Amino acid sequence: DADVTQTPRNRITKTGKRIMLECSQTKGHDRMYWYRQDPGLGLQLIYYSFDVKDINKGEISDGYSVSRQAQAKFSLSLESAIPNQTALYFCATRDRADTEAFFGQGTRLTVV
Amino acid sequence: KQEVTQIPAALSVPEGENLVLNCSFTDSAIYNLQWFRQDPGKGLTSLLLIQSSQREQTSGRLNASLDKSSGRSTLYIAASQPGDSATYLCAGMDSSYKLIFGSGTRLLVRP
Repeated sequence: DADVTQTPRNRITKTGKRIMLECSQTKGHDRMYWYRQDPGLGLQLIYYSFDVKDINKGEISDGYSVSRQAQAKFSLSLESAIPNQTALYFCATRDRADTEAFFGQGTRLTVV
Repeated sequence: KQEVTQIPAALSVPEGENLVLNCSFTDSAIYNLQWFRQDPGKGLTSLLLIQSSQREQTSGRLNASLDKSSGRSTLYIAASQPGDSATYLCAGMDSSYKLIFGSGTRLLVRP
């Protein structure tokens, strides 16, 4: 089993629908992150959490919300999906600031 | 605000060549720098992590260096192979403990 698991792996949804992307990790890390990747671009930070009670906005948080249900689970929601939110979404975890970040396999989201 | 740039955006080389990928960052107060590999449609695989107190890290045919004073990191790949074809991303951790990514270098190693 992967250390960082994202579900679903692929999703097509309609404009205006609410959708949730889920991330779970078995590494026991406190820090979790959600990123978005557009074609030909690097990853942009949406939200991050340093522990269950600590949630922070990243560079591009507008239109997104998150929930840290437990140390191992961090969900990303699009309250009302729009086409320009079509992208590849990644969840990541790390133990401490000075250790490696580990990424999930990504969720490809298409909003039509 | 930390910004990370990678040059070139794409690179095509014949098999066996040694090559260097470049990463530059604007804020020298970088906590650490991590290099990743991304295969098409896949997630990111960590290659090397360099702490701010280190100058380089090596793993097999890969060597990454970090020069905070000049705001640069390089990833050296020795004796390239077609299996090295992928997109390589660098990411610097800023003072708020966020990873800031470059846009990547797409590498093609031709047989």
